[in-house]
Formats: sequence, structure tokens, C-alpha cells
Amino acid sequence: DGGITQSPKYLFRKEGQNVTLSCEQNLNHDAMYWYRQDPGQGLRLIYYSQIVNDFQKGDIAEGYSVSREKKESFPLTVTSAQKNPTAFYLCASSIDSWTSGTYWGYNEQFFGPGTRLTVL
Amino acid sequence: AQTVTQSQPEMSVQEAETVTLSCTYDTSENNYYLFWYKQPPSRQMILVIRQEAYKQQNATENRFSVNFQKAAKSFSLKISDSQLGDTAMYFCAFTAVIETSGSRLTFGEGTQLTVNP
Repeated sequence: DGGITQSPKYLFRKEGQNVTLSCEQNLNHDAMYWYRQDPGQGLRLIYYSQIVNDFQKGDIAEGYSVSREKKESFPLTVTSAQKNPTAFYLCASSIDSWTSGTYWGYNEQFFGPGTRLTVL
Repeated sequence: AQTVTQSQPEMSVQEAETVTLSCTYDTSENNYYLFWYKQPPSRQMILVIRQEAYKQQNATENRFSVNFQKAAKSFSLKISDSQLGDTAMYFCAFTAVIETSGSRLTFGEGTQLTVNP
């Protein structure tokens, strides 16, 4: 079955520790995204990647890092510099709408089931 | 920068009745898409409906329809014949057609809809 998986579902971290959230997709999508969800604030974009070995900062990138070494994987590291990391994290992927400067129309983002991170 | 605002944190409706969720947005772009996403208690994000800004006709998907007012930058969602399974958090979202922005989504704060039996 094609889809997006995130692991673990629940994650606990002590203050001062880095932690990495996994996101894998087998949909052959070029683009991948990380969003953070807090109560009353909706989803906010942390990082996104349109192609392997390239990624861009979103609106709240401070305290986070990502890598995109493989097309199917886009792990997110929450560093100790992130002041309030307790949140629900969602990963998404889509076919990239842009190819060589041409827009091919919007392609739906498919979301994973999410990871709930709690800092103790 | 784009912003999306949902001014109704919570709403409730009786089963089989109709409810409208409000959304306003702000952008200087002329080419963009608008969406309504549903997040049930499982927290899985589900796309409900989308609207292309260049289309004047309002999008419909079965019991879900939108009222898109481009000049007013308003994008409301109407749910007809509400069902218990419609109980969820609903998010309005926006994406502009800008190559350097990819297809990133900007979300509103969400409206928690409860359908009562």
C-alpha cells in the first residue's frame, strides 16, 4: 500500500536533548513538508523540500533541522535550541507542481498520521 | 506574506442541518488555491474541497460547497445535511502559485465543529 508513515507515534524527550522524527513515503513524490500543530494555532510550516539534497526554511525553522538524502525520506531533528518543542508534528508529501519553471497545476499534499512530541 | 484567519474557534450543529464555516485570507498574489481540510479525532488530515482562484464557479463535493468571494478575500465552507461523522476540526488553507514557495500551505487557526444527534 502506498502512503506516508511517521514514527514514532508518541515521543518523549528530556530538556536539552536532540530528537529525530521519521517521515517516509512510498508514493514517489518529489516534494515533502514538515508542519507543527499547536492548539489554537493551526498548522505551521517548519521546512519543505522540493527535490533530493535541497530544502527550504518555512515560517518556524528556528531550532529544527532536516535532511533529504533520499527521495522517500525527510527526517526532522528537533534540537535543544527549540524553546518549546512540545507539539504535534505532521509530515506531508506531494508531486512537485513545478518542473523547469513550468507550473503543472496544484497537486494534493498527502499527510502522515503525525508524531506527538512531549518534552519532560 | 499570506495570512488565513478563521474567526470561529468552535461551532455546533444538529444532525441533518446545514452549517457554514467562515474563512478570510490576505494575499497580494493573483494566482492561488484555497482549501478546506478536515481533521477528525484520529488527527489524520483529510482534504475536503479545493478552489482555484481563477475559477469563478464555486467548488462543490457532495454535501460540501464553498462560497468564494475573491474581491472580499472570503472563502466559507457550507456543510449540508450534517452527519455525526462530520465532527472534526476544520482548517482553511491557502497556497500561492510561486515557484520558489513550492506548494507550501498556510493554514488558519481551525474551527472545531461538533454535530449533535
